[in-house]
Amino acid sequence: QQPVQSPQAVILREGEDAVINCSSSKALYSVHWYRQKHGEAPVFLMILLKGGEQKGHEKISASFNEKKQQSSLYLTASQLSYSGTYFCGGDQTGANNLFFGTGTRLTVIP
Amino acid sequence: DVKVTQSSRYLVKRTGEKVFLECVQDMDHENMFWYRQDPGLGLRLIYFSYDVKMKEKGDIPEGYSVSREKKERFSLILESASTNQTSMYLCASSPRDSINEKLFFGSGTQLSVL
Repeated sequence: QQPVQSPQAVILREGEDAVINCSSSKALYSVHWYRQKHGEAPVFLMILLKGGEQKGHEKISASFNEKKQQSSLYLTASQLSYSGTYFCGGDQTGANNLFFGTGTRLTVIP
Repeated sequence: DVKVTQSSRYLVKRTGEKVFLECVQDMDHENMFWYRQDPGLGLRLIYFSYDVKMKEKGDIPEGYSVSREKKERFSLILESASTNQTSMYLCASSPRDSINEKLFFGSGTQLSVL
């Protein structure tokens, strides 16, 4: 039931952009995005609800295509602080019960 | 700020031991979750609970059980620990008010079963 994330890893230079994709085989009520830095707890970034709503958080935004059950996370003008592993979580029941993807490790270098 | 506290950061146990992982949250959240995190596999849901004395199986409940006697506390139990249960365990909580509520995670317990 886990969503599939791609790519598995990406290396960026500061200022470059990246897109992380998340695809579910099951219909979703919402998609959550979290970032986890090494040795720390995952931290919430944003929630996308059904309807294709696009949300933003600093220079990070995301979209959710309900027809395709796909979500994408857009990181623009990346900063060193963006490094970490990004997880998408799909809510299949509407009860906040999330199934997470396998993660995308993002490394931003100077 | 919401605080989700996991009792141990690191734990080493022997095969066959009964292991208790404790999680406490201080924001009166109804929902609590246990995940395990393994390299390349992401976070996988073990069990969750929407209320006291209530529990539901997640994706990988085999070999685990849970207890929720009080609203703020959600315990994960490994009845007879095995080496393949060596992992990082993350507890999370959220309110039940609506579907757009984020999860708050604890810092995790790294369990090693020898």
